[in-house]
Amino acid sequence: QLQLQESGPGLVKPSETLSLTCTVSGGSISSSSYYWAWIRQPPGKGLEWIGNIFYSGTTFYNPSLKSRVTISVDTSKNQFSLKLSSVTAADTALYYCTRHVLASGFVVSYYGMDAWGQGTTVTVSS
Amino acid sequence: AIQMTQSPSSLSASVGDRVTITCRASQGIRNDLGWYQQKPGKAPKLLIYAASSLQSGVPSRFSGSGSGTDFNLTISSLQPEDFATYYCLQDYNYPLTFGPGTKVDIK
Repeated sequence: QLQLQESGPGLVKPSETLSLTCTVSGGSISSSSYYWAWIRQPPGKGLEWIGNIFYSGTTFYNPSLKSRVTISVDTSKNQFSLKLSSVTAADTALYYCTRHVLASGFVVSYYGMDAWGQGTTVTVSS
Repeated sequence: AIQMTQSPSSLSASVGDRVTITCRASQGIRNDLGWYQQKPGKAPKLLIYAASSLQSGVPSRFSGSGSGTDFNLTISSLQPEDFATYYCLQDYNYPLTFGPGTKVDIK
């Protein structure tokens, strides 16, 4: 059974870089059937998409975060990672990693985010 | 970016009620929409993908409909475990965007 597990510091100082890793178990990250994504949720608020990555390294980012975000993949470790630079209190959130299913066919489409990690809370504070 | 709106933002309902939540996209997104259920302290769970396809393991009382800009999630007979917040997500194009959520609580 596929499992995703986020890991990383729970506390980050303002202006520093937030770094999280998602470890995928029970399945290969090197599959052409999936993208891998980061989602976040500020306390008491809704969900925000951060970015997607394919095992080849192709990435898509939220424009609102693009200048500060880097998502990378390490297929040898079956992991993908998030780096968010110059953080502020507004980046305090619950961060989730997810699997985004690619539909088969000639037109690129998706079948939703079918697997999620349990989430990890990151607080930005001095 | 495509804007997603949901209505209502919250609703109160009783066990056994039929509940419908609406999601509207600011432009056409074919049927590239999913519905997610989130309970307090838990990760979201995929209920419906491609607007109307039931995710494996999800009870058949959940159904989705719509295409283009207007979509519905219907719970045919609300169960105690269905009290949660529901989000739509368009994955038609990047940036992916979620609706603001609909909280379903007990009347």
